[in-house]
Amino acid sequence: DAGVIQSPRHEVTEMGQEVTLRCKPISGHNSLFWYRQTMMRGLELLIYFNNNVPIDDSGMPEDRFSAKMPNASFSTLKIQPSEPRDSAVYFCASRRAGGMNEQFFGPGTRLTVL
Amino acid sequence: AQSVSQHNHHVILSEAASLELGCNYSYGGTVNLFWYVQYPGQHLQLLLKYFSGDPLVKGIKGFEAEFIKSKFSFNLRKPSVQWSDTAEYFCAVIDYGGSQGNLIFGKGTKLSVKP
Repeated sequence: DAGVIQSPRHEVTEMGQEVTLRCKPISGHNSLFWYRQTMMRGLELLIYFNNNVPIDDSGMPEDRFSAKMPNASFSTLKIQPSEPRDSAVYFCASRRAGGMNEQFFGPGTRLTVL
Repeated sequence: AQSVSQHNHHVILSEAASLELGCNYSYGGTVNLFWYVQYPGQHLQLLLKYFSGDPLVKGIKGFEAEFIKSKFSFNLRKPSVQWSDTAEYFCAVIDYGGSQGNLIFGKGTKLSVKP
């Protein structure tokens, strides 16, 4: 089992550029979560999907952020345009059906916006 | 809405000391509780979880947690810490109110163990 796969692991970009983060959930998991972790705010849920459908995006900070899940094995989180305050570690997590199941986290993408 | 409070931001212990990290949640109904650990530079991993039954839950690496419903608490304990336990620890609860199955995390507690 490869676990949740995220790419890239590190991203450094300049303010105003578009950033795309990628996530491949564990096979057979049908819920996918995007989190952002910063020193100031801790771990925040941005959005989550059940069966590829966005269920709750209330954590998405602004319209600059968007997330898609075109199929069960792939999701993207896009920031356009990026700003220095978007610098954070972005985690993807997946889970099998049912709220009682554990979420498995990916290794994260460390984003730095200069 | 459900919320989680972790009382200690940073705990510093010497090896072999006992550990207790506090966690309180706000909602009094049925809860499912978790402790996750994040080692430096790594992703979150599950330490233990509580859904029902015995309120004393044993997890990996010698950790345990006790669910006390009357106190809305789920404190994490370890009788003797090791240098390798240096990490950040997150308490989390499933929010069945707003977004079903959504994990609500506490702010985390950093544990530094001095060799």
